Amino acid sequence: AQSVTQLDSHVSVSEGTPVLLRCNYSSSYSPSLFWYVQHPNKGLQLLLKYTSAATLVKGINGFEAEFKKSETSFHLTKPSAHMSDAAEYFCVVSATSGTYKYIFGTGTRLKVLA
Amino acid sequence: GAVVSQHPSRVICKSGTSVKIECRSLDFQATTMFWYRQFPKQSLMLMATSNEGSKATYEQGVEKDKFLINHASLTLSTLTVTSAHPEDSSFYICSARVSGGQGSGANVLTFGAGSRLTVL
Repeated sequence: AQSVTQLDSHVSVSEGTPVLLRCNYSSSYSPSLFWYVQHPNKGLQLLLKYTSAATLVKGINGFEAEFKKSETSFHLTKPSAHMSDAAEYFCVVSATSGTYKYIFGTGTRLKVLA
Repeated sequence: GAVVSQHPSRVICKSGTSVKIECRSLDFQATTMFWYRQFPKQSLMLMATSNEGSKATYEQGVEKDKFLINHASLTLSTLTVTSAHPEDSSFYICSARVSGGQGSGANVLTFGAGSRLTVL
């Protein structure tokens, strides 16, 4: 069975400092992993995805994530936070075969302090 | 890139009435669409998988007679909340899968902007 755990429900960083949002996954298949961002009352926007290619994945807005199979992790990072990064972030796992159902993590709310 | 349009973005209705939410794939065909529900400050919960030309597949615990899904064409799926009650108030989000190939869009879900339903 697939599952995804976001280890922090809230993260606060100062503007200009690094961002780390943690995600661990469990999958009986070779997983596809995604990070989505949701701004208040908006839909979800894809930040980046891992689908068995390069383990370090670069996404939009300076975000990147590294797939570590040995640690079953897919943490999201950004070198320098911007005020506009304040939002809810979801780590998502999907099987690469089968139903293509997405399993969402519980989300991490990122707060960026001026 | 792939775009999913969802309408309306906000709807307020009286208890007992029905509300229809539309989800359209604007520049691609979507044989499969997904409907999610999001409670305040919570994650997204998959409600059902909408299949073009056939019956939707509902997740356990989701009332199919309450949440009617129709996927009559390759670009349109609708969710109708029947006889809505205040506990149905929520943020509903649809998504569609950009399928096929090994390109950057393969196996990625594109989400609509969501519809906030408030039942008085």
